[in-house]
Amino acid sequence: EVQLVESGGGLVQPGGSLRLSCAASGFTFSDHYMDWVRQAPGKGLEWVGRIRNKANSYTTEYAASVKDRFTISRDDSKNSLYLQMNSLKTEDTAVYYCARGYRSFDSWGQGTLVTVSS
Amino acid sequence: DIQMTQSPSSLSASIGDRVTITCRASQGISNDLAWFQQKPGKAPKSLIYAASSLQSGVPSKFSGSGSGTDFTLTISSLQPEDFATYYCQQYDTYPYTFGQGTKLEIK
Repeated sequence: EVQLVESGGGLVQPGGSLRLSCAASGFTFSDHYMDWVRQAPGKGLEWVGRIRNKANSYTTEYAASVKDRFTISRDDSKNSLYLQMNSLKTEDTAVYYCARGYRSFDSWGQGTLVTVSS
Repeated sequence: DIQMTQSPSSLSASIGDRVTITCRASQGISNDLAWFQQKPGKAPKSLIYAASSLQSGVPSKFSGSGSGTDFTLTISSLQPEDFATYYCQQYDTYPYTFGQGTKLEIK
């Protein structure tokens, strides 16, 4: 069974940084593209970015709203995905989900809440 | 960016009804279209990919159709567990984009 478990969310001040993690199990993590998707309170879904697999050189894609502030990385030896978030803004407040990038997003984690507030 | 527009934004229906949600892309996306179901406080669940293919384990009461710019999600014989918010999403072009959601409520 595919399992994705996010962690690392919390309260951070504007301008601060936070690193989210996503632990994967139940599938061959290294084979798959992985994505981050977020959802602001009471709002819809917003794709944040993607990291491809080793065969595709771990290249990344980002939404314009986070480009140059967020960095997606992965450690295939630990079956883990990461989202480094810098220069956080109040509008980054959201539940952040990791998702497996297969057949669009076929599996999702439960999400972790990031609150950016002073 | 490709804009995804869903209609209606909300929909009231009764148990046993059949409902259809539409999704329109601002430019052609072939069949690179997915549908998700989300219940309050829960992660989205993938229902359909490639416009009409059911994800593993999804009941056949859900069906999708369309290609290019116009797509539909149909849910037959509504049951209490089907009342949720539904999102379409294009994965043809980066940045990937979602529709604004359709909230399906019990009449």
